[in-house]
Amino acid sequence: NAGVMQNPRHLVRRRGQEARLRCSPMKGHSHVYWYRQLPEEGLKFMVYLQKENIIDESGMPKERFSAEFPKEGPSILRIQQVVRGDSAAYFCASSSLSGTGNTEAFFGQGTRLTVV
Amino acid sequence: GQNIDQPTEMTATEGAIVQINCTYQTSGFNGLFWYQQHAGEAPTFLSYNVLDGLEEKGRFSSFLSRSKGYSYLLLKELQMKDSASYLCAVKPGNTPLVFGKGTRLSVIA
Repeated sequence: NAGVMQNPRHLVRRRGQEARLRCSPMKGHSHVYWYRQLPEEGLKFMVYLQKENIIDESGMPKERFSAEFPKEGPSILRIQQVVRGDSAAYFCASSSLSGTGNTEAFFGQGTRLTVV
Repeated sequence: GQNIDQPTEMTATEGAIVQINCTYQTSGFNGLFWYQQHAGEAPTFLSYNVLDGLEEKGRFSSFLSRSKGYSYLLLKELQMKDSASYLCAVKPGNTPLVFGKGTRLSVIA
């Protein structure tokens, strides 16, 4: 999992500010998945992206949250007008292929967002 | 819907064997994963099962029964560093992983 890079590792935002979380997938991987983890909870799927496309955003709140994975550069998870309930650890995972096999094994170290 | 159940907490003694169970009901099945997660860190991949049976990898083994919707992770010769959360996750189809809430394992001397 050392190959998936997330930054920042820790992010503190005041209520109403914007949070931008970055994820650089492992080299050669073109599929990115974002998950959110609340304390004492499991990982909850948010959004699945390929380069320049959102494949599945069924786990992402309809308002304030957006994600992108441009042709060049990292994937970005953006949270506008943050609220205290957004405080969580956000993990990114990457894979080279989707659909079959052992393809989603690698997670980044996560970004811990604290909203004050 | 998707549902994955595993015990919330378990305690075991250093040097012993522990089995962590996971049951699942999902709309499809394309593999079951086990991850280890230490507090404040990223999940790290432990095992992957897609066919019935036992997969062994050093001190860790994982078992799958697709007909029963059941898996377990077996940890042998427990060490203090094995104290962590163990996450069971299912890939329902050509879709992202669905995770259980995790089992927090405490290894005591």
